[in-house]
Amino acid sequence: AQKVTQAQTEISVVEKEDVTLDCVYETRDTTYYLFWYKQPPSGELVFLIRRNSFDEQNEISGRYSWNFQKSTSSFNFTITASQVVDSAVYFCALSEGDSGNTPLVFGKGTRLSVIA
Amino acid sequence: EPEVTQTPSHQVTQMGQEVILRCVPISNHLYFYWYRQILGQKVEFLVSFYNNEISEKSEIFDDQFSVERPDGSNFTLKIRSTKLEDSAMYFCASSEWDRGYEQYFGPGTRLTVT
Repeated sequence: AQKVTQAQTEISVVEKEDVTLDCVYETRDTTYYLFWYKQPPSGELVFLIRRNSFDEQNEISGRYSWNFQKSTSSFNFTITASQVVDSAVYFCALSEGDSGNTPLVFGKGTRLSVIA
Repeated sequence: EPEVTQTPSHQVTQMGQEVILRCVPISNHLYFYWYRQILGQKVEFLVSFYNNEISEKSEIFDDQFSVERPDGSNFTLKIRSTKLEDSAMYFCASSEWDRGYEQYFGPGTRLTVT
């Protein structure tokens, strides 16, 4: 069973539209961390956000916002007023446990295309 | 701003050859990782390294793979006898501490095995 599910394989929006990327995770641990990474066409992985399991406050950073809901095991990512530069593959990832350098388990990614 | 660096950016090798992928993690980081991404697929964990030894490894990280921190700055991934299916982007990452501190990724090395 997948630990991180990103059901949307590809999304295409017109510039200035809002878009939400879904992420559903699965874990039995009470302490865990959730991440979003961006992979632009150039290929590198860019860290966007980290959230621990005890902090359900939503976070906003400029045009980006994240909605963490433990009740539904979801950690969704919304881009407001999308821009062409937002075109990339976005990965949600999970790190379980509270000790040791536990590896990141990535979802399959959502490819976002923003059309001018 | 400190960053993880990787060399080479692209490596082409013949099947059966040994390759060494190099990484320089961020200087004050203590945990180091290798991940790989087969073209168009998700990023997969290979191995984590702390205090000069492997902390955890995945099923992918078999006897053909090894990691080393030969000096105070480099972190290397060696594949002894490459196979066609080893063709992928290999990412090095480092983190300052455990407990979910963000892992910062290098730009990747694209390995092509022919």
